[in-house]
Amino acid sequence: AQTVTQSQPEMSVQEAETVTLSCTYDTSESNYYLFWYKQPPSRQMILVIRQEAYKQQNATENRFSVNFQKAAKSFSLKISDSQLGDTAMYFCAFMKRPDNAGNMLTFGGGTRLMVKP
Amino acid sequence: DGGITQSPKYLFRKEGQNVTLSCEQNLNHDAMYWYRQDPGQGLRLIYYSQIVNDFQKGDIAEGYSVSREKKESFPLTVTSAQKNPTAFYLCASISGGAGYNEQFFGPGTRLTVL
Repeated sequence: AQTVTQSQPEMSVQEAETVTLSCTYDTSESNYYLFWYKQPPSRQMILVIRQEAYKQQNATENRFSVNFQKAAKSFSLKISDSQLGDTAMYFCAFMKRPDNAGNMLTFGGGTRLMVKP
Repeated sequence: DGGITQSPKYLFRKEGQNVTLSCEQNLNHDAMYWYRQDPGQGLRLIYYSQIVNDFQKGDIAEGYSVSREKKESFPLTVTSAQKNPTAFYLCASISGGAGYNEQFFGPGTRLTVL
């Protein structure tokens, strides 16, 4: 079974600054995907970024980037130029590589991020 | 527009009553999922279904039941056996096939036991 741990329950950052959210995971799988989801006050889950474990290059999506350390089983999210709209819960999630594995997501406990003006 | 709908948005239940949460998708996705979210916590998998007329238990299936009679629909019943049903419930779906497929989420249902 997989586990995902987010050690920062809450964080805050000033608008336009950079913040990094931490995530560690435990798995015996070699092929998998990692994700960061955003859940704003509306509670709609929004996919922010994903990383394929076999790719060494860190994923980036505009202001969002990850630091994927496979050996250390670490997957942090960096948000650059933070905006007020980034205020949300952020969840790290794990999915085994789809091969009749059911495509289930295993979530961490979340980090509540507040961007301050 | 394609997407996932969940109804109702808010649901109140008296203790001892069963209640059914609706989840419908028009994305032609093969697999569907139910997650439970408690305050300040992550999502936990209740049940999932990869094809019509088949479903499997997730991590916290006790006190819940599902059916998958149509590809588009995956209703969740919270039974009176669920000891602490007050939570936010999210439905998701994903297309089949090889390779990566994104899991899409519905807007959720907030269930409160009175």
